[in-house]
Amino acid sequence: AQKVTQAQTEISVVEKEDVTLDCVYETRDTTYYLFWYKQPPSGELVFLIRRNSFDEQNEISGRYSWNFQKSTSSFNFTITASQVVDSAVYFCALSLNRDDKIIFGKGTRLHILP
Amino acid sequence: NAGVTQTPKFRVLKTGQSMTLLCAQDMNHEYMYWYRQDPGMGLRLIHYSVGEGTTAKGEVPDGYNVSRLKKQNFLLGLESAAPSQTSVYFCASSPRGWGYEQYFGPGTRLTVT
Repeated sequence: AQKVTQAQTEISVVEKEDVTLDCVYETRDTTYYLFWYKQPPSGELVFLIRRNSFDEQNEISGRYSWNFQKSTSSFNFTITASQVVDSAVYFCALSLNRDDKIIFGKGTRLHILP
Repeated sequence: NAGVTQTPKFRVLKTGQSMTLLCAQDMNHEYMYWYRQDPGMGLRLIHYSVGEGTTAKGEVPDGYNVSRLKKQNFLLGLESAAPSQTSVYFCASSPRGWGYEQYFGPGTRLTVT
């Protein structure tokens, strides 16, 4: 069965701390894509990153970084030096080979406290 | 570029009433999707379309119908609203299906009393 698990329902950290959001996925497919989306309080989901299953290189974009490890079926997201504007719900998602749909995790609500 | 827009933003219905939610995209995307978001449930796919004139069922299609008469528009209909359909509805579009990111609209908050 295909599944995305975000075990952390809600996290609170103080501004400037680093925080990692966990994402574990399940699939028997060898070809797939993983995504992260951000949903700020305004409500609209914003695409952050896409990674295919053949590319295990870590990605860094400013204060954001992603760690993809096929050995543990994880695609974790780290925010360095968090800011209040990072407060949002973050979704991890999986897209399987030849399937036009995306499977979303249930999301992690992140609170950055000033 | 407006991206993906949804009409209306808010709506209150009484049980048994019908309504149509409109999604429009100006990115010439082939694929369009309708999701509902409920607390603790994440995003669940209702219906989707892989091109003009086509539709397919998602994870929770019951009680909803859709139409894609024009490439840029994807309509979601509720024929007889029920309180269980109280939710936030999101439309999304994508240039292709598998492997491509989806671009989301701002959402429609629907309450059925």
